[in-house]
Amino acid sequence: AQKITQTQPGMFVQEKEAVTLDCTYDTSDPSYGLFWYKQPSSGEMIFLIYQGSYDQQNATEGRYSLNFQKARKSANLVISASQLGDSAMYFCAMREGAGKSTFGDGTTLTVKP
Amino acid sequence: NAGVTQTPKFQVLKTGQSMTLQCAQDMNHEYMSWYRQDPGMGLRLIHYSVGAGITDQGEVPNGYNVSRSTTEDFPLRLLSAAPSQTSVYFCASSRHVAGVETQYFGPGTRLLVL
Repeated sequence: AQKITQTQPGMFVQEKEAVTLDCTYDTSDPSYGLFWYKQPSSGEMIFLIYQGSYDQQNATEGRYSLNFQKARKSANLVISASQLGDSAMYFCAMREGAGKSTFGDGTTLTVKP
Repeated sequence: NAGVTQTPKFQVLKTGQSMTLQCAQDMNHEYMSWYRQDPGMGLRLIHYSVGAGITDQGEVPNGYNVSRSTTEDFPLRLLSAAPSQTSVYFCASSRHVAGVETQYFGPGTRLLVL
């Protein structure tokens, strides 16, 4: 079974609107971490946000927030006020052990002017 | 502070050749990892290390070796290159401080095996 599932291969959003990228995960380990990364067309992997399994509050980093619903095993990324530069591939990942992460297949986000 | 560096940026190999992909980090991170990314897919873990002298296999370790003799360096060796190893290879290092974990990636190495 896939440990990280991103069900949206592609998403479109109008500039300045908010968008939610879905991510569900599967683990029996009580201690884990969830990440979101951005991969622009240039290919580099850019860390966006992290949520620990014991964190009570949803993580936020600027325009990025992580909607963490532990019971549903979901960790959706919310991007507020989308910008043209947000067009990229977005990956959700889960860390179950030190230095060891599993990635989803990604969601391609296109921001329309 | 260079972060995570990888060399080379691009490499072409013939089937059966061996080579080493270099990875170095200057952030004194304990954890380092190697991933491969095939077209249109996410990253898959090849090998990882939780400290100097300690390595372990990830999801797709066959055909690759690693070693970690220092905190800074984590080279990946392809023993006998095969066309199925054509991919983009990313090295990463991570730290866990005050309940927050951050993982930094190198720029990647594009490998083509003919």
